[in-house]
Amino acid sequence: AQSVTQPDIHITVSEGASLELRCNYSYGATPYLFWYVQSPGQGLQLLLKYFSGDTLVQGIKGFEAEFKRSQSSFNLRKPSVHWSDAAEYFCAVAYNTNAGKSTFGDGTTLTVKP
Amino acid sequence: DAGVIQSPRHEVTEMGQEVTLRCKPISGHDYLFWYRQTMMRGLELLIYFNNNVPIDDSGMPEDRFSAKMPNASFSTLKIQPSEPRDSAVYFCASSLGVLHSPLHFGNGTRLTVT
Repeated sequence: AQSVTQPDIHITVSEGASLELRCNYSYGATPYLFWYVQSPGQGLQLLLKYFSGDTLVQGIKGFEAEFKRSQSSFNLRKPSVHWSDAAEYFCAVAYNTNAGKSTFGDGTTLTVKP
Repeated sequence: DAGVIQSPRHEVTEMGQEVTLRCKPISGHDYLFWYRQTMMRGLELLIYFNNNVPIDDSGMPEDRFSAKMPNASFSTLKIQPSEPRDSAVYFCASSLGVLHSPLHFGNGTRLTVT
């Protein structure tokens, strides 16, 4: 069965610092990978996705993620964090199917210090 | 594009009462999903529809839960009778029926059952 692991439940970074959120997936086939962000009281919003091609994908709000098949990882990065990036971030994976059958990780809560 | 619209935003009810949650997907999207989010269990897929037909309801917790999609622009999730353990945020999401299509989430309904 497909699964997603986000090892970090909570991360705190200072405003302006760089950010990396980790995501590991399990299964053998080529995955479709997604990062979503959830602000308090809101639904999830897509940041970026990977399904083929260049393993470094760019998303909205200055985020990027790199697919590393050898490490089964799809880590999310941002060079300089803004206070408005404080939110919960979810990694999701799907295989050869509509993204609705995505399996979500447990999420990482990001706190940004001034 | 108004996005996915859910109502009500908040619902407080007493144990044993019937609860109906409503969702209007994005026009043109042919997949609709109901998720439940709790601290303990994270984000769980309850059921999803394709072209108004339920495809997979294996995530519906028990017979007290039912979902319908009478037309392409409306879906309901009903809980009868409700129990305190049903307290959660319920999200509706929609997507286009193509591979690696991302989900578009509504802002959710926060249900509290006392």
